[in-house]
Amino acid sequence: GQQVMQIPQYQHVQEGEDFTTYCNSSTTLSNIQWYKQRPGGHPVFLIQLVKSGEVKKQKRLTFQFGEAKKNSSLHITATQTTDVGTYFCAGQYRDDKIIFGKGTRLHILP
Amino acid sequence: NAGVMQNPRHLVRRRGQEARLRCSPMKGHSHVYWYRQLPEEGLKFMVYLQKENIIDESGMPKERFSAEFPKEGPSILRIQQVVRGDSAAYFCASSQNGGITDTQYFGPGTRLTVL
Repeated sequence: GQQVMQIPQYQHVQEGEDFTTYCNSSTTLSNIQWYKQRPGGHPVFLIQLVKSGEVKKQKRLTFQFGEAKKNSSLHITATQTTDVGTYFCAGQYRDDKIIFGKGTRLHILP
Repeated sequence: NAGVMQNPRHLVRRRGQEARLRCSPMKGHSHVYWYRQLPEEGLKFMVYLQKENIIDESGMPKERFSAEFPKEGPSILRIQQVVRGDSAAYFCASSQNGGITDTQYFGPGTRLTVL
């Protein structure tokens, strides 16, 4: 069945270091979305990737969608304390079903 | 432009009581999704509704849970005879078209605690 795996589950980085989270689907995706959830908050939409091999940037955040449309990554350059939170990917399939990964919890060490 | 609204934000119930969670989608949105999030877990899809229709309820437990999105008023997720395992954050999201590339906007969630 459809499954979205996200790694790592937790990541502790020193402020200023880079951070990457990876998302893998068991089957081909129609699109992938990324969300950020601050502690105690709700998921906030960051971006959607639709095309094979697509790369999008938002300031220090770089999002990639694999050529086979089965994996994706989010990379943050030079992390800041405001980046703290849990980053979720959500894969959407041809039957419109959306499946969220379990998220990567980012903790920044000052 | 108000976002997705959910109430109550926090709800405490004793085992066996009923819980009613409300969600008002963003203005102009007619598609509503409900998700459950256990502590330190991801979001688990429960149900997808359009006005007066349930489109996909494949994530809903078979018993005690129901959802509706009437022609007028908010969408309601109803949990009957709550048990401790129902304690979680319940998020509602809305989208404009419900299409394959449509963006979902999340509400602040209702945190349900069952004593």
